[in-house]
Amino acid sequence: DAGVTQSPTHLIKTRGQQVTLRCSPKSGHDTVSWYQQALGQGPQFIFQYYEEEERQRGNFPDRFSGHQFPNYSSELNVNALLLGDSALYLCASSYSPTGATGNTIYFGEGSWLTVV
Amino acid sequence: DQQVKQNSPSLSVQEGRISILNCDYTNSMFDYFLWYKKYPAEGPTFLISISSIKDKNEDGRFTVFLNKSAKHLSLHIVPSQPGDSAVYFCAARPSNNNDMRFGAGTRLTVKP
Repeated sequence: DAGVTQSPTHLIKTRGQQVTLRCSPKSGHDTVSWYQQALGQGPQFIFQYYEEEERQRGNFPDRFSGHQFPNYSSELNVNALLLGDSALYLCASSYSPTGATGNTIYFGEGSWLTVV
Repeated sequence: DQQVKQNSPSLSVQEGRISILNCDYTNSMFDYFLWYKKYPAEGPTFLISISSIKDKNEDGRFTVFLNKSAKHLSLHIVPSQPGDSAVYFCAARPSNNNDMRFGAGTRLTVKP
């Protein structure tokens, strides 16, 4: 049973560039959330996708956008990269967008983004 | 705004002893709480959770305690093992959505 998979695992971008990160949810899951984890901090919620729509959004600027495909996989796009965007980007999946008890969220290993 | 706080960035305990990791939250809308464990180069792994209708949940060596009036929860690991050495994140969310808020994490080191 494949868990949450993310690609690429590491990448380096230049300030001002754009980046796309990809995520395939755990089998049977239909909801994908993205988190940003800066060094020394906990993951911060970026947004959540369900039924190919953005359902919830954290406190992140519009430079951060996403997409969910019919097969439930998802992409995170960040435009006009800033040095401060350097972080580990985590994808998490669950079987529902609701916070039902027991609806555990599973994380991928993350994509390390370095902006220089 | 840091709605979930883990005030101890690190904790070191001897193998076989109890590890106690603490977490405080400020948002009264939170009613489901989770602990995740994270090894280097891996994503967070779900460990244990507790609903606000309970004050204790136990799973093997891991027990989570919730004190709603104090907005405080703790994770107890007994007995601690060297393989438990990792960063532990406390997370909280409302029951009606998956917008989880995480603490900054506590790095646990269990010494043989």
